[in-house]
Amino acid sequence: DTGVSQDPRHKITKRGQNVTFRCDPISEHNRLYWYRQTLGQGPEFLTYFQNEAQLEKSRLLSDRFSAERPKGSFSTLEIQRTEQGDSAMYLCASTRNRVSGANVLTFGAGSRLTVL
Amino acid sequence: AQKITQTQPGMFVQEKEAVTLDCTYDTSDQSYGLFWYKQPSSGEMIFLIYQGSYDEQNATEGRYSLNFQKARKSANLVISASQLGDSAMYFCAMREGRGGSTLGRLYFGRGTQLTVWP
Repeated sequence: DTGVSQDPRHKITKRGQNVTFRCDPISEHNRLYWYRQTLGQGPEFLTYFQNEAQLEKSRLLSDRFSAERPKGSFSTLEIQRTEQGDSAMYLCASTRNRVSGANVLTFGAGSRLTVL
Repeated sequence: AQKITQTQPGMFVQEKEAVTLDCTYDTSDQSYGLFWYKQPSSGEMIFLIYQGSYDEQNATEGRYSLNFQKARKSANLVISASQLGDSAMYFCAMREGRGGSTLGRLYFGRGTQLTVWP
């Protein structure tokens, strides 16, 4: 169990550029989540996948945001035409979906985006 | 309406003392789960404790316990014997269930910054 890995840890970009974040979940976890956390706030849900299927998307996920999990393993979150309001920590989490129990999310260390 | 409310932006406690971090929640589901996470300055969210809505006993995990009052819709975290390393941001979160299954997102509160002083 190597934990949830996120890359890059930090990204500084200019407004209008595209950025992509990658998340590698714990290998046996079939559910993968993306959250966004701005300074002084709790994480806000963006989207989640069960295997390769994207099951739910938040209204926060505008048309400029797209997430994929093509083979049900790693996931990417792309932000097109970045805006200064996109500056945040992007957190990935994964869990194994059990019928009962807590289904605790294990989080990665996050990818911090700064848009200049 | 906020699903999770944490009314204490910051709390201070002396080392070795106990501290309670408040959390209230709002849901119309009968089945739900409540979670507490710790986020140190390094940024990673660390799971602390879980309470299911049908659990009759309050959850405990080492120095952490969850004071679950269902009628009041509160799920306060109690940390006993505080340590300097407990200084961090603490988040309460909820997952709503439908028909007994656990689905989808966690709703997080805004967090409480805990500072433990020697």
